[in-house]
Amino acid sequence: DAGITQSPRHKVTETGTPVTLRCHQTENHRYMYWYRQDPGHGLRLIHYSYGVKDTDKGEVSDGYSVSRSKTEDFLLTLESATSSQTSVYFCAISAAGGPGDTQYFGPGTRLTVL
Amino acid sequence: RKEVEQDPGPFNVPEGATVAFNCTYSNSASQSFFWYRQDCRKEPKLLMSVYSSGNEDGRFTAQLNRASQYISLLIRDSKLSDSATYLCVVNINAGGTSYGKLTFGQGTILTVHP
Repeated sequence: DAGITQSPRHKVTETGTPVTLRCHQTENHRYMYWYRQDPGHGLRLIHYSYGVKDTDKGEVSDGYSVSRSKTEDFLLTLESATSSQTSVYFCAISAAGGPGDTQYFGPGTRLTVL
Repeated sequence: RKEVEQDPGPFNVPEGATVAFNCTYSNSASQSFFWYRQDCRKEPKLLMSVYSSGNEDGRFTAQLNRASQYISLLIRDSKLSDSATYLCVVNINAGGTSYGKLTFGQGTILTVHP
């Protein structure tokens, strides 16, 4: 299995509070991605990174920000959590970011916003 | 119209059965195609890539029809352990670098029973 961890694995928070999720990899892969998974929508890309300090928005980026100060860590921040951000969040990594490259996923973080 | 569409199922089949899943994609610029498997409350994992000539991996056969923008997955001799959600995944590179961004279908649920 690819060396990807996510923390926390579960979190319950209240509306309006900031939340930061962490993705850590030991593979030294350049590309990292944050997805959310919701019933009826499948996995949707939130933000991605193509290098240290290089990030861009995905399909559903509103209300989220990211940072990547080291190759191994990719942080996802919910500036002010809302109930619509209750979801399962997956981090993924890819070695080269090419169209045929496999993405490896972390175990996920289950976030509940009350 | 969603970019990647799958029949959500569920498909309930007996052990030993052959089952086929279909997927359509809307963007003709799509470059790469995959089937991922996701077990309940787990992360998605690559099952197989899908090549233009079709490809097989043991009991699993994947096919691609670019003209019809259609992908299929055939599972022969189903096992109890095949029970999972199968995700159709597409890499869309519309003229620029895609940075490996993937678009997921909602998934097809398969349950194999004794």
